[in-house]
Amino acid sequence: GENVEQHPSTLSVQEGDSAVIKCTYSDSASNYFPWYKQELGKRPQLIIDIRSNVGEKKDQRIAVTLNKTAKHFSLHITETQPEDSAVYFCAASRETSYDKVIFGPGTSLSVIP
Amino acid sequence: GAGVSQSPSNKVTEKGKDVELRCDPISGHTALYWYRQRLGQGLEFLIYFQGNSAPDKSGLPSDRFSAERTGESVSTLTIQRTQQEDSAVYLCASSSPDSPNEKLFFGSGTQLSVL
Repeated sequence: GENVEQHPSTLSVQEGDSAVIKCTYSDSASNYFPWYKQELGKRPQLIIDIRSNVGEKKDQRIAVTLNKTAKHFSLHITETQPEDSAVYFCAASRETSYDKVIFGPGTSLSVIP
Repeated sequence: GAGVSQSPSNKVTEKGKDVELRCDPISGHTALYWYRQRLGQGLEFLIYFQGNSAPDKSGLPSDRFSAERTGESVSTLTIQRTQQEDSAVYLCASSSPDSPNEKLFFGSGTQLSVL
C-alpha cells in the first residue's frame, strides 16, 4: 500500500522567513496530493492540494510543487506569520480525496515572532 | 447537520472493556474515513467506506477493531478488549465529489483513554 514520508518532523523559523516541508510517496498510481493544517486542539483542515497533471500550484503565501518522476512533493510557505504555527500533514491518494487518503507523519511548524 | 459529528467527545474506559465510537458524516457524503491520532503523532488510516462498495479495512491494526456503516450515513468504530495502546484521538472524516475542492471534512474526534 501507499506510504508517505515527511520531513522535517519539526521546523522553527523566524517570522517573515520561508518554510519548506518535503514529502515522498511510494505508490506510483497516486495522483492527488493534499496538504492539511492542524492547529493545536483542532481538527485538520485542507489548505492546498495538487493533482499529478500540474507541477506547481500557488495560493497567496502558500505553494506546492510536485515531481511525479521522483515521487516527491513540497509545501512552501513564504512570509511566515505566527498564525502559521501548526502541524502540517501531506497526503496522497489515487483519485482526489474521493478515495483512500494516506497521510504523512506531520511537521510541527513554529513561527517565532 | 452542518459538519461531521462524533460522539462521545471523550471516553475513559478500563483495559479489557469494549468501546463504540460514533460518526455522523455530512449529509450526502458517500465517503467516510476513520483515522487514529496518538498524542503528537500523525493521522493513521484505519478504514474507508465508499458508498455501497466493500470497505477498505487495510489500516485496522488488529481483529479487535471493526467498523460498520449503515448505507451512506452513520458509522460506528468498535474496539473490543481495549488495551492501553489504543489510547488516542479517533477522527472521522467524510467527503463527496461535490465537496468544495473535494476535500475531507473532519469531525472533532473522540479522545479515548484506556486506563
